[in-house]
Amino acid sequence: DAKTTQPPSMDCAEGRAANLPCNHSTISGNEYVYWYRQIHSQGPQYIIHGLKNNETNEMASLIITEDRKSSTLILPHATLRDTAVYYCIVRVPIPSGDDYKLSFGAGTTVTVRA
Amino acid sequence: GAVVSQHPSRVICKSGTSVKIECRSLDFQATTMFWYRQFPKQSLMLMATSNEGSKATYEQGVEKDKFLINHASLTLSTLTVTSAHPEDSSFYICSARESGRSNQPQHFGDGTRLSIL
Repeated sequence: DAKTTQPPSMDCAEGRAANLPCNHSTISGNEYVYWYRQIHSQGPQYIIHGLKNNETNEMASLIITEDRKSSTLILPHATLRDTAVYYCIVRVPIPSGDDYKLSFGAGTTVTVRA
Repeated sequence: GAVVSQHPSRVICKSGTSVKIECRSLDFQATTMFWYRQFPKQSLMLMATSNEGSKATYEQGVEKDKFLINHASLTLSTLTVTSAHPEDSSFYICSARESGRSNQPQHFGDGTRLSIL
């Protein structure tokens, strides 16, 4: 029951910016968008999250459209170690309480090439 | 930053064995932890939500008697795969989020690769 859609794969040149799109057209007003990535045979790694405003941290930038129906994760200078599956996630409320769970879609397989 | 530790990282055992996997939040308290399973070339599938001091909530299709979850403290949840069979071979991953900070991200362990012979 993933609430986001992402392209299945993309290639990126080392040293260039990688722009990863995500559509979340059914997002509600108070739901955050989270980005994780998973390098082969490891647990997912948190990258960034946001609600309305654009966000930036040491790993990436997150650009959210004004209508919040889509967002773009930007890796400013991709390196070979950024090769991973990137997941864009909108949380799903847990019916039994006020907590949330993450529903993972297929993500985008990003391959950074030298 | 927040760290979630998972142990063991790899288990190989015979069919019929029960296997326990531990998930610890090392520098924060977690009322809720989550257990996922990932088969090769597939995405993560949530198995259950582990609640400190109460019963776990299982996703549809996940057998609660097969996958026993205990969340006895605010820093430890365990998943026991009972009477494991080859079809239970998978990558099991836990995650946790700091209690009382609902908008903060979940942090994941490094996973446990379970191989049943």
